[in-house]
Amino acid sequence: ETGVTQSPTHLIKTRGQQVTLRCSSQSGHNTVSWYQQALGQGPQFIFQYYREEENGRGNFPPRFSGLQFPNYSSELNVNALELDDSALYLCASSPNEGKDTGYEQYFGPGTRLTVT
Amino acid sequence: GENVEQHPSTLSVQEGDSAVIKCTYSDSASNYFPWYKQELGKRPQLIIDIRSNVGEKKDQRIAVTLNKTAKHFSLHITETQPEDSAVYFCAASWGGRRALTFGSGTRLQVQP
Repeated sequence: ETGVTQSPTHLIKTRGQQVTLRCSSQSGHNTVSWYQQALGQGPQFIFQYYREEENGRGNFPPRFSGLQFPNYSSELNVNALELDDSALYLCASSPNEGKDTGYEQYFGPGTRLTVT
Repeated sequence: GENVEQHPSTLSVQEGDSAVIKCTYSDSASNYFPWYKQELGKRPQLIIDIRSNVGEKKDQRIAVTLNKTAKHFSLHITETQPEDSAVYFCAASWGGRRALTFGSGTRLQVQP
């Protein structure tokens, strides 16, 4: 198992509400990426944070936002929840870049979000 | 943007047989190609990866091959075991600290 942790494990929200998901990266990792995985599909990239700055964003609307803290942990915030936001939200951390490192992404266990 | 196609979507093999999963990518700038195994209800687990300066990489029973010219890469699992049963995802990215674009997944079932 990786050292990446996420909370909460499961969450049920109502359409229109807001949610915050949390991720603690593996020790020594300074980059966190967030992905949305709908049932039966591959993960889709939401955005990535490197040293507390957004470092790339996928095709998700602005109501998906994030933060990275000085200890490299991260939050994903989703406003105005829609039914289609129901999915498994995964964060992945990457080791600091070096000669042969920095490419790999190690996933946390995910947060299962259900929007009703 | 990058597009990754993965085949087959399901694969059933007998224990001890080999399994091959193939992916193609669209962006010639992609240079990192990981494979993940995801068991039901669990996180994707990185099982092997390859960079574009290498044509093949092996780790015990699994191997990955990359053909940059054709823009495709494959996962090979030999001597399959029931515990290999899972969904396998290929992915591609450009450089370190870059987004991964995933394929749609292959459900591998190894029959005892």
